[in-house]
Amino acid sequence: EAGVAQSPRYKIIEKRQSVAFWCNPISGHATLYWYQQILGQGPKLLIQFQNNGVVDDSQLPKDRFSAERLKGVDSTLKIQPAKLEDSAVYLCASSWGVSSSYNSPLHFGNGTRLTVT
Amino acid sequence: KQEVTQIPAALSVPEGENLVLNCSFTDSAIYNLQWFRQDPGKGLTSLLLIQSSQREQTSGRLNASLDKSSGRSTLYIAASQPGDSATYLCAVRRNAGGTSYGKLTFGQGTILTVHP
Repeated sequence: EAGVAQSPRYKIIEKRQSVAFWCNPISGHATLYWYQQILGQGPKLLIQFQNNGVVDDSQLPKDRFSAERLKGVDSTLKIQPAKLEDSAVYLCASSWGVSSSYNSPLHFGNGTRLTVT
Repeated sequence: KQEVTQIPAALSVPEGENLVLNCSFTDSAIYNLQWFRQDPGKGLTSLLLIQSSQREQTSGRLNASLDKSSGRSTLYIAASQPGDSATYLCAVRRNAGGTSYGKLTFGQGTILTVHP
């Protein structure tokens, strides 16, 4: 099966600019996640979708970050305006499970490495 | 709030050695625990998933154990090879239900280097 696709792979922007990341999950996966991974740390959940609904965005900085998952398939994550501390790898993951059954493993994309200068 | 800690932060071993990576978590009300591998510049690859009712899972040279009551998991790698060099992360999923949606919390990872 095709894996989780993410683009772009790398992005360099100046602070206060905006940026968008795209994710296409594995076909049929109901749950989609966006994680932020700062160098040397484990991934931190930004937002979790179940189909096209948000089930957890408690750690998403909503004043600058936004995400959507139209039609319950592809998803985009946007940052506007970017800050220096947003420099990180943004990982998208998907899984088969829905809220009542989280026994399926997560499948991750290769991520987008964002550098804010 | 669930906190996940991995020890050691980095480990270097000669090829052929058996090794153990440790993961501890503060809230034992978990649904499952997963071990992942991350190669440089790549995403995470799921290695093993242990349900809260299970004690261990095995896949090839990998064996993961879970002691929920003590908040600990170990990943055992037998006969290590240079190709095992990567960062290994554990992640704990809390129980879903009510307003909880099975949030997955990651440790910071253990960087493993296996030298020939």
